[in-house]
Amino acid sequence: DGGITQSPKYLFRKEGQNVTLSCEQNLNHDAMYWYRQDPGQGLRLIYYSQIVNDFQKGDIAEGYSVSREKKESFPLTVTSAQKNPTAFYLCASRDGSSYEQYFGPGTRLTVT
Amino acid sequence: GQQLNQSPQSMFIQEGEDVSMNCTSSSIFNTWLWYKQDPGEGPVLLIALYKAGELTSNGRLTAQFGITRKDSFLNISASIPSDVGIYFCAGQSYGNKLVFGAGTILRVKS
Repeated sequence: DGGITQSPKYLFRKEGQNVTLSCEQNLNHDAMYWYRQDPGQGLRLIYYSQIVNDFQKGDIAEGYSVSREKKESFPLTVTSAQKNPTAFYLCASRDGSSYEQYFGPGTRLTVT
Repeated sequence: GQQLNQSPQSMFIQEGEDVSMNCTSSSIFNTWLWYKQDPGEGPVLLIALYKAGELTSNGRLTAQFGITRKDSFLNISASIPSDVGIYFCAGQSYGNKLVFGAGTILRVKS
């Protein structure tokens, strides 16, 4: 089955700790994206990558970091510098020939 | 930057009713996408529109790409309980990032 997987579904961390969220796709898509969703708001772009070993900051990149060492993987690290990290994080991917983005099931991160 | 205004913010439906929602922008878009999100899940792509004036259906859902290229509409006919959720529009112009509306929350009237 082709798709995007995010793990874990729920993640709990203490303030001051870095945490890495996983995103894997087997759709052979070139582009991958990370979004943050807060209650009552639309999706805000954190980082995106259009090709392996290259990535760009989105609208709210401060306090986050990413890597793209493999086509199928785009992990997101939420660092201790992110002031308000508790949110629902969504990963998406897109085939290079289309504008359609497909989303994973999301990871809900709670930092206390 | 580009912004999308999605309305209504929320609405209540009774089973069997038709539902309409829309998105407007001050910018021209070349692509409009409509997604549905169930609680705690990722958004699922419902309909993609690529041409001004285009009208596309997916079952009971119909979406239109506005002729001015600054708006899009989604209609749901004969709603059923599983239609509840959050509906997002998203627009993209060439070379730019996808921009999302804030969503329309669909709830069932009790």
